[in-house]
Amino acid sequence: KNEVEQSPQNLTAQEGEFITINCSYSVGISALHWLQQHPGGGIVSLFMLSSGKKKHGRLIATINIQEKHSSLHITASHPRDSAVYICAVRMDSNYQLIWGAGTKLIIKP
Amino acid sequence: EPEVTQTPSHQVTQMGQEVILRCVPISNHLYFYWYRQILGQKVEFLVSFYNNEISEKSEIFDDQFSVERPDGSNFTLKIRSTKLEDSAMYFCASGGEGGNTEAFFGQGTRLTVV
Repeated sequence: KNEVEQSPQNLTAQEGEFITINCSYSVGISALHWLQQHPGGGIVSLFMLSSGKKKHGRLIATINIQEKHSSLHITASHPRDSAVYICAVRMDSNYQLIWGAGTKLIIKP
Repeated sequence: EPEVTQTPSHQVTQMGQEVILRCVPISNHLYFYWYRQILGQKVEFLVSFYNNEISEKSEIFDDQFSVERPDGSNFTLKIRSTKLEDSAMYFCASGGEGGNTEAFFGQGTRLTVV
């Protein structure tokens, strides 16, 4: 069973394009995380959301609790944004994060 | 900026050997986690730790695994007798509260069992 689904799995875009990565989940959650994983493997937390919208620089994350859906947007994309972007949800009932499979983003110059 | 640090960054061990992966969480955090990622697969939850005891563990976290916070600053994951399938990237994370605060991740330890 896939409690967290991300789309697309892979995304290649040109520098400057507006990027959207989607995450849908099927369980009750207390929070949703967007994380970034670079080729070396390290994970960086980008956002934690429980409602509404957050913005940090060129990154915007939104969540619709009723629809169980979140999006991560990147404006004015740049080759350094190339990474795997992962959605993970923290369930209502416990502490663990349930992870999506990730979206591999490549931004070409 | 405070960060979670993990050592070593890469460990190679022979099958059947014990390994200890070390993590120094952010100092005022209360919740600690281990996750693993087998190459090409999703990140998977292993265990959470709060108030000097395990609060949750996944089915992956069997008797071969144990965690400890030996000295109030380090948080360790021990694998007693490594198997080939334990080869993975292991991530430590820490957070201020259990439910609704951000988790901060270490850079990971790549464990290779040969």
